[in-house]
Amino acid sequence: SYVLTQPSSVSAAPGQTARIPCGGNYIGTNSVHWYQQKPGQAPLLVVYDDSDRPSGIPERFSGSNSGNTATLTITRVEAGDEADYYCQVWDRSSDQYVFGTGTKVTVL
Amino acid sequence: EVQLVESGGGLVQPGGSLRLSCAASGFTFSSHWMHWVRQVPGKGLVWVSRINSDGSTTTYPDSVEGRFTISRDNAKNTLHLQMNSLRVDDTAVYFCARGDPLPPSFYFDYWGRGTLVTVSS
Repeated sequence: SYVLTQPSSVSAAPGQTARIPCGGNYIGTNSVHWYQQKPGQAPLLVVYDDSDRPSGIPERFSGSNSGNTATLTITRVEAGDEADYYCQVWDRSSDQYVFGTGTKVTVL
Repeated sequence: EVQLVESGGGLVQPGGSLRLSCAASGFTFSSHWMHWVRQVPGKGLVWVSRINSDGSTTTYPDSVEGRFTISRDNAKNTLHLQMNSLRVDDTAVYFCARGDPLPPSFYFDYWGRGTLVTVSS
């Protein structure tokens, strides 16, 4: 089955940039989607189709995808961005939905 | 406003059954594929089922195939998950999620708050 690998944690100071990688075999050939989850809350879609943002998501959240790595970038990090972040793809070969292992973002 | 509200979670013994429900509002329920996703407390997200817009096609991962059944009632805007032969490792928070508009839905654009299922003797 398809595997998506993320670092367990990433940290950034307020105002700096946080980058969260999501590794997968030829992931650049898939559309990647990203979710933010704060403690006790439901996941929230923050980026879809590699780099599009749903209505209401700040421009500080952006995505890219190429080769074997997709990346969620959070610029001008704020305390409210502290959360777990998950990447996700639909694996067309198996018709299954796969989530990454999740990354905890800490704002220093 | 899109709302998804899960119910039906609780404590059940291994081998038992439970039926979860998800009440949908704020959108045309019958137009969207729907999903269940679960999360063991403190762990990651795992997809567990999908149903197409008219309820005629369902898909599951191997981990729940044959034990879980997803269904929907478009007249009542409600999604269900029938869980049989429950195991301790089925313990998790179960989220109802709406699929994006394009079949077979590539991502989940709205989520409920989840309902906790605990399988324990």
